[in-house]
Order: sequence, then C-alpha cells, then structure tokens
Amino acid sequence: DTGVSQDPRHKITKRGQNVTFRCDPISEHNRLYWYRQTLGQGPEFLTYFQNEAQLEKSRLLSDRFSAERPKGSFSTLEIQRTEQGDSAMYLCASSLRGTGGKEKLFFGSGTQLSVL
Amino acid sequence: KQEVTQIPAALSVPEGENLVLNCSFTDSAIYNLQWFRQDPGKGLTSLLLIQSSQREQTSGRLNASLDKSSGRSTLYIAASQPGDSATYLCAPTGDMRFGAGTRLTVKP
Repeated sequence: DTGVSQDPRHKITKRGQNVTFRCDPISEHNRLYWYRQTLGQGPEFLTYFQNEAQLEKSRLLSDRFSAERPKGSFSTLEIQRTEQGDSAMYLCASSLRGTGGKEKLFFGSGTQLSVL
Repeated sequence: KQEVTQIPAALSVPEGENLVLNCSFTDSAIYNLQWFRQDPGKGLTSLLLIQSSQREQTSGRLNASLDKSSGRSTLYIAASQPGDSATYLCAPTGDMRFGAGTRLTVKP
C-alpha cells in the first residue's frame, strides 16, 4: 500500500491556460473520486469512476472540466481556460468497493491550484 | 442526493476536555460512515470507519457512534490534546459527500 499519489502538489497558472492534474490510486482500488476544496469548506464532489467508467459527474462541473481514467488505473483531471474561481485544492481519493457496499476512502495530499 | 451537516462549525476547548462532534445525514440508506481529520493545506486522513451493522467504533481516544435510523453519527474525543487541533469531517459511504466539517482548536 503506497497510498494515493497526486501530481503536481502545487500549480500556478495564468487565467485562460489549461492545466492537467494526475492521480495514482492505490493499486487494486476500483473506485476513484475527485473533489475540489476551497478554504473553510468541506470537499466538494466533482466526479467518480468505477474502474474506467465515469459513473457520476457533478452538475456543478462546467464543460471546462474533464476527467478520464482510461485503463482503470490512474486518472487525470483537466481544466480548460482556467478562471480565477478555479483556484482551490483538488483532492483525489480511491477505494475498493466490495460486495455489501463496504468502502473506505483513502485520500491523496491534493494539488493546490492558483490561477492568477 | 445525500446532504451532510456537521455541528458545531467550530469549537475551541482547553486541553484535557472531552468533546463531541456531530454529523447528520439525510439519506439513511448508507453502508457505512467514515470520519476524517484534515490539517491545514493537507489531504484527509481516515480516523474511523463504522459499518452499518455496528453502533460504535473505537480507536484510542476516539469513539464514533452511528444511528442510521435517525441519520446521525457522533465522534467523541477523550482528553483532548493540542495535537487534536484540525478540521474533522464525516462522509457516509455510497455517496461520498462531505459537510463543511468542524474546525477544532485545543488550547494548551
């Protein structure tokens, strides 16, 4: 168990640029979640995958956001034409969803995005 | 969609006090519930996971209870220490939505 890894840890970009974040879940975990968190708030759900299938996407997620998990392992989250309001911590979590619904989330350290 | 509420939003106590954090959720059809702590600028660290068949789960000075029928969970911290200062979050599984958390400060 090497834990959930996120890259990069910090990203500073100019408004209008595209950014991509990567998440490597714990191997054998079948579920992967993306969250966004701003100061003083709890993690806000963005989307999640079961293996390579994207099962749910928050309606708060504009069409500038896209996520993939092409082989059911690592995932990428891309934000196109970044805006200052996109500045936040982006968190990834993974879990092994078993029979009976038992599931325990493990989080990465997050990617802190600053849009200037 | 699951709605999660945590009360209080912030709590400040002197070292050594016992305290209770509350978590309520709207959809009681959950499999289990997980409590986390988050230090500033960091990811979330899992503290306890309570399965729906359990009523309590303990780890050291932490004790979490779950009442599915009323949509409530509590996290009890005994003999609080300054190192317990953090934000505490709960998440019912199946939906994995979070509330805003409780920001705890333990003063030495």
